[in-house]
Amino acid sequence: SQQGEEDPQALSIQEGENATMNCSYKTSINNLQWYRQNSGRGLVHLILIRSNEREKHSGRLRVTLDTSKKSSSLLITASRAADTASYFCATLTGAGSYQLTFGKGTKLSVIP
Amino acid sequence: GAGVSQTPSNKVTEKGKYVELRCDPISGHTALYWYRQSLGQGPEFLIYFQGTGAADDSGLPNDRFFAVRPEGSVSTLKIQRTERGDSAVYLCASSLSLAGVYNEQFFGPGTRLTVL
Repeated sequence: SQQGEEDPQALSIQEGENATMNCSYKTSINNLQWYRQNSGRGLVHLILIRSNEREKHSGRLRVTLDTSKKSSSLLITASRAADTASYFCATLTGAGSYQLTFGKGTKLSVIP
Repeated sequence: GAGVSQTPSNKVTEKGKYVELRCDPISGHTALYWYRQSLGQGPEFLIYFQGTGAADDSGLPNDRFFAVRPEGSVSTLKIQRTERGDSAVYLCASSLSLAGVYNEQFFGPGTRLTVL
């Protein structure tokens, strides 16, 4: 089953614009991670945010986490054509479970 | 260093056949995970190992699926009597360990399995 749900399912923006993707989940989590996937193959880890953190930055990426609303957002600033990919959030619930539960992803298209 | 590698990259088989998919984790990573991704969906968990033992196999869909990791490094996912519904990309990941909140999983490129 899939716990996370990304919103929107697809997003198309012009190069240089910011892209915001949202993720909602259902149960308590240990941490939440964002991944990027090109062409339906390998996943690239972008950023991990722990349940006791509210915001994290990495380069052009900014992730927020609101555990009271069970939601997270990924912001990509100054987007580039190379950012075109699918983006997934994944949650780790902890409590003895170490499997990641992924959402269905947001397909981002950055138009040059 | 080298990342997670998976072989083959593509596998086409006929319904009813047996297949083996291989995963080489990052050297030194004790935890290894298998996921399956169908078209248009996010990856779904199958099984993970800590060392040689399967710590959680709750995601395996049925008893046609089996995975081993005999020496605590390379893992093989085995699918018996394949069905068309098994067609998907099978992803392997590894992490330094299971413990702790920094459970970053590094993924391989996947094996695309097509059952005709």
